[in-house]
Amino acid sequence: GDSVTQKQGQVTLSEDDFLFINCTYSTTTYPTLFWYVQYPGQGPQLLLKVTTANNKGISRGFEATYDKGTTSFHLQKASVQESDSAVYFCALVDRAGGADRLTFGKGTQLIIQP
Amino acid sequence: EAAVTQSPRNKVAVTGGKVTLSCNQTNNHNNMYWYRQDTGHGLRLIHYSYGAGSTEKGDIPDGYKASRPSQENFSLILELATPSQTSVYFCASGDWGGDSDYTFGSGTRLLVI
Repeated sequence: GDSVTQKQGQVTLSEDDFLFINCTYSTTTYPTLFWYVQYPGQGPQLLLKVTTANNKGISRGFEATYDKGTTSFHLQKASVQESDSAVYFCALVDRAGGADRLTFGKGTQLIIQP
Repeated sequence: EAAVTQSPRNKVAVTGGKVTLSCNQTNNHNNMYWYRQDTGHGLRLIHYSYGAGSTEKGDIPDGYKASRPSQENFSLILELATPSQTSVYFCASGDWGGDSDYTFGSGTRLLVI
């Protein structure tokens, strides 16, 4: 079945540092890929989405590129702020068997030190 | 504004009791999902549905049932709750393609004692 791998459980940075969160996926098709962000006490919120029609997603200074060759979808930001502290999830949706199955990675806790 | 609403927000249940978690969406989405979130495991898919009357097993369906009586409503049922089902449960709705997003509710925190 489909799977999404986030190897970094936690990333700690200082303000204005460069952010890179690794995400790889495994599926038999070309899925739509997402990054979600979750703040304490809330449900996950969509950060950005990339389909097979467009290879890059950009939102709020974050960007991710869909690389079918390496099956990766890493999240980057040039300069993080304290307000970016949250949990970030990589996810994919794959239309297999007529049902849209939405699968998540384990998440990466981002801690930004002032 | 289109939304996903879960009820209750918090629930304390006794071991062996029946628990029903409810989810309502006003997005007119075909697909709805139930996840549980636990430290170290991320979001794990329990059941999902692609329309009224349909339910599909996710990755961890044991001990859970689901019901989709209408486009708007999707329930998660724990017939015999156990302490291992203590968790935060999230409902989501979404559709494939176009500008559709997959939208989450605010979660239900369940404690089984």
